[in-house]
Amino acid sequence: EIVLTQSPDTLSLSPGERATLSCRASQSVSSSLAWYQQKPGQAPRLLIYDTSNRATGIPARFSGSGSGTDFTLTISSLEPEDFALYYCQQRSNWPLTFGGGTKVEIK
Amino acid sequence: EVQLVESGGGLVQPGGSLRLSCIASGFTFSLYTMHWVRQAPGTGLEYVSAITGNGDSIYYANSVKGRFTISRDNSKNTLYLQMGSLRPDDMAIYYCARERAGYYFDFWGQGTLVTVSS
Repeated sequence: EIVLTQSPDTLSLSPGERATLSCRASQSVSSSLAWYQQKPGQAPRLLIYDTSNRATGIPARFSGSGSGTDFTLTISSLEPEDFALYYCQQRSNWPLTFGGGTKVEIK
Repeated sequence: EVQLVESGGGLVQPGGSLRLSCIASGFTFSLYTMHWVRQAPGTGLEYVSAITGNGDSIYYANSVKGRFTISRDNSKNTLYLQMGSLRPDDMAIYYCARERAGYYFDFWGQGTLVTVSS
């Protein structure tokens, strides 16, 4: 099973700042990685798939990069609605697995 | 508008059974692989099971294999998860999710809570 490790656990930032979230895989997943956003009491929402492709309706301030085992989700300028939990997910190998999440909170 | 609505969650004793349902609308249900993903309270996401559009291919996570059964009724636009031999560590919010091409999940339901406790 591929283990995804996200860091940091919590990111404390102010609106307008840049957020950089990391996801590291225990073995290469090529570019087969997605990012989801989850707000309290809500289901996850797909942000990015295949490392760097934004899902439908996702603002351009969200971008993804990386390959192999190291991936990054960047939010260029945090909006109030961006403070949430973020998960990465790999589809390279079964079982599909998720990272433990990074919480982006208001500083 | 794509909608996924889960139901069937509730309180069940250890060793008991429960059947979850997920009613889909707003898209051609039979064309999509569907999945179940769960989230224990206050924790991250765990993949559970998948079924292809015509039901000919099914996958289970090791943690539920032999205890859970996924199925679908395309005439009713409904996905099911039959859960048996439930354990306390099965307690979670269960989400159904539609697969965007390539094992990513582009639409999720709001989830149904399963509580396993005596």
